[in-house]
Amino acid sequence: EPEVTQTPSHQVTQMGQEVILRCVPISNHLYFYWYRQILGQKVEFLVSFYNNEISEKSEIFDDQFSVERPDGSNFTLKIRSTKLEDSAMYFCASNTKRKYQETQYFGPGTRLLVL
Amino acid sequence: DAKTTQPNSMESNEEEPVHLPCNHSTISGTDYIHWYRQLPSQGPEYVIHGLTSNVNNRMASLAIAEDRKSSTLILHRATLRDAAVYYCILRRNAGGTSYGKLTFGQGTILTVHP
Repeated sequence: EPEVTQTPSHQVTQMGQEVILRCVPISNHLYFYWYRQILGQKVEFLVSFYNNEISEKSEIFDDQFSVERPDGSNFTLKIRSTKLEDSAMYFCASNTKRKYQETQYFGPGTRLLVL
Repeated sequence: DAKTTQPNSMESNEEEPVHLPCNHSTISGTDYIHWYRQLPSQGPEYVIHGLTSNVNNRMASLAIAEDRKSSTLILHRATLRDAAVYYCILRRNAGGTSYGKLTFGQGTILTVHP
């Protein structure tokens, strides 16, 4: 069964550093998402991406965050200058728009720790 | 987004059925009811979804009240692998599909005892 993959599985960085989290969505999917989950809290939506542009973003997704689909297969989340509070699990997800195939598939996540 | 209410936690014994309730009294006519679950240290995983009629798949069944103000996820025979957080989520229907962000609540923590 096709799956969403994410790299790295774990990332440790110093506050103020830039990080790029990578995702490979399922190949025929058209909608891409990033979510995050701070330890012990609920999963929170960050951003959705369709047709090479952001279709929706949350209040969390401020100017420090950006997303890109650089080569038609990868989908990346960049945090320009990490803060301690960015420590969380980051999940990538994708789904197709085709009717009755609305399942959103999630990757295994990247655990980001900002020191 | 319309809100859902779920119990914080439930317990079950292995091989017994589990009924996980969800209230969504402010659901609109165009909202699909989706269930996802999150196994420990994993990303969320789709379980089932429906609009008005009851639904069955290989993982579970979804029973939807006639007024659509509540629904129940049914695991027919719980296994230890079903121990997870279960989320009931309403998704906006747009043009016959319900794509778009998922808004997660706290969900129900299901514990399955051997």
